[in-house]
Amino acid sequence: ETGVTQSPTHLIKTRGQQVTLRCSSQSGHNTVSWYQQALGQGPQFIFQYYREEENGRGNFPPRFSGLQFPNYSSELNVNALELDDSALYLCASSLAGRDGEQYFGPGTRLTVT
Amino acid sequence: AQSVTQLDSHVSVSEGTPVLLRCNYSSSYSPSLFWYVQHPNKGLQLLLKYTSAATLVKGINGFEAEFKKSETSFHLTKPSAHMSDAAEYFCVVSDAYSGGYQKVTFGTGTKLQVIP
Repeated sequence: ETGVTQSPTHLIKTRGQQVTLRCSSQSGHNTVSWYQQALGQGPQFIFQYYREEENGRGNFPPRFSGLQFPNYSSELNVNALELDDSALYLCASSLAGRDGEQYFGPGTRLTVT
Repeated sequence: AQSVTQLDSHVSVSEGTPVLLRCNYSSSYSPSLFWYVQHPNKGLQLLLKYTSAATLVKGINGFEAEFKKSETSFHLTKPSAHMSDAAEYFCVVSDAYSGGYQKVTFGTGTKLQVIP
């Protein structure tokens, strides 16, 4: 059973640029959720994808967007980066219809300068 | 409305003494509840979960939690702290909606310090 993987591990971008983060789900999982964890805070829910469609979204602006592919892997795209976007971005996979148990990847540390 | 309150941002215990991390939740439905642990510069690891079965849930590394509906609490305990338990702990509530959507809210976290 393969765990959740994320790439890249670390990333440095400049304000105004765009970034794409990637996530591979755990084998057999059909749902992917993305979280933003700022330093010293708990993870904040960005959005969730199920069957290649966004089916839930947190309080994040439209410049945060995503994709889910037929193999259930996923991308998080952030446009027009702001300094406050600096954070650890976590991807979690799960099986829809179950109890909400999520398996987390190690995260991508994004620094915006 | 769904929310989670972790009552202590920091807890400090001596090695070998009991651990208590407190969590209160609010949910409009019958939620699932989780505790996750995050060691420095690491991802999140599931400690234990409650999903409407037994109210006393046992997890990994000797941790357990008791679901108390009347108190809307899900406190995490361990009889004897170990140095390796030093980490940040997150209480999480999850509600299932139609269409496969699972609404999840994290608490703000409790940093556990273990003193030798």
